[in-house]
Amino acid sequence: AQSVTQLDSQVPVFEEAPVELRCNYSSSVSVYLFWYVQYPNQGLQLLLKYLSGSTLVESINGFEAEFNKSQTSFHLRKPSVHISDTAEYFCAVSDALYNQGGKLIFGQGTELSVKP
Amino acid sequence: NAGVTQTPKFQVLKTGQSMTLQCAQDMNHEYMSWYRQDPGMGLRLIHYSVGAGITDQGEVPNGYNVSRSTTEDFPLRLLSAAPSQTSVYFCASSTPKSAEAFFGQGTRLTVV
Repeated sequence: AQSVTQLDSQVPVFEEAPVELRCNYSSSVSVYLFWYVQYPNQGLQLLLKYLSGSTLVESINGFEAEFNKSQTSFHLRKPSVHISDTAEYFCAVSDALYNQGGKLIFGQGTELSVKP
Repeated sequence: NAGVTQTPKFQVLKTGQSMTLQCAQDMNHEYMSWYRQDPGMGLRLIHYSVGAGITDQGEVPNGYNVSRSTTEDFPLRLLSAAPSQTSVYFCASSTPKSAEAFFGQGTRLTVV
């Protein structure tokens, strides 16, 4: 069975400060890893994903995440946050080899609150 | 390009009432799924489908039924609503190749 743990439920940070949202997963098989973002009263949008290849993946709005297989982690980072980054962030995992239905296992979510 | 469309956006039900949450996608995706989102619990899979005519249970299927008669539509039925089903429901679609799930805007359901 797979599971995902997001280590912080809330992360308050000042604008232009760096931020790290932590995600650890547990799986006995190879996985795909995802970060989704949910702005207030909206659906989830894919922020970035790791399928294979380079362990460092980047989004178009300055976020990056690094897949660390030995530590089973996929932490999300941004060197300088903006007010507009305020949202809830979800880490998710899926089976890379056999995933009928595209099933995702989600973490509990981390609320990022960026203050001026 | 509409993507994944869910209706209604908001719904209030009385305990014991039934209703259907609608989900439609226009991307010709094989896979569709339903999740519920509850505070502090992330999203949990209710039911999923790998194609028309094929459905299966997820992590929290009790109290919900689904069917998939076409590639485009995947409705979720609550036969007898309970307060424990108060939640935000999300429908998603994906393909075997991309691994990326596309989500609808959600349905906020309150059962009183």
